[in-house]
Amino acid sequence: DSGVTQTPKHLITATGQRVTLRCSPRSGDLSVYWYQQSLDQGLQFLIQYYNGEERAKGNILERFSAQQFPDLHSELNLSSLELGDSALYFCASSVGGGPGQPQHFGDGTRLSIL
Amino acid sequence: GNSVTQMEGPVTLSEEAFLTINCTYTATGYPSLFWYVQYPGEGLQLLLKATKADDKGSNKGFEATYRKETTSFHLEKGSVQVSDSAVYFCALSTHYTGNQFYFGTGTSLTVIP
Repeated sequence: DSGVTQTPKHLITATGQRVTLRCSPRSGDLSVYWYQQSLDQGLQFLIQYYNGEERAKGNILERFSAQQFPDLHSELNLSSLELGDSALYFCASSVGGGPGQPQHFGDGTRLSIL
Repeated sequence: GNSVTQMEGPVTLSEEAFLTINCTYTATGYPSLFWYVQYPGEGLQLLLKATKADDKGSNKGFEATYRKETTSFHLEKGSVQVSDSAVYFCALSTHYTGNQFYFGTGTSLTVIP
């Protein structure tokens, strides 16, 4: 058990809809990361927050947004969903936000778009 | 840019065989390097890491040495077990991108008794 909690584990919805994925980091970790894992793209970094502030941004679509709240949990919002958004979404956390920090991953949320 | 290249899988080995999974990288600056393992239905688990050239990371019988001259971080284990069957990911983190990780495509390992 990594200590990172993601909910829900599975999500099934339709094209055009909006969903929210939730992540609680390990106790004491200030930084949260979001990744998308798909068969064709592999593991892709989306965004990093550190203590409530955005720290780094990857190839995150404009339809996607995220935030980290004062209690350090994070939410990833995906809107106007398309079939290609079907993937496994991972949250990870680390103590600090700087380079070289090991990241600890949750078990992921599997999103299926019908 | 930053990228990680892993050997293609899948890899199938007999129990107690020697394992090598190749990983090479391209990075700006001086990256930290990681190996993660993913078991079916689970998230990625940190296996080992190295933060500077010539460092050797090790854990659970797995080892990898940070080779700056060959930009490599190959994963090795002397004697694999059935329980090592999983997907292995090589990753890097550099100074210029916060702590964004760049992952390789993953190598699936199956160990047969």
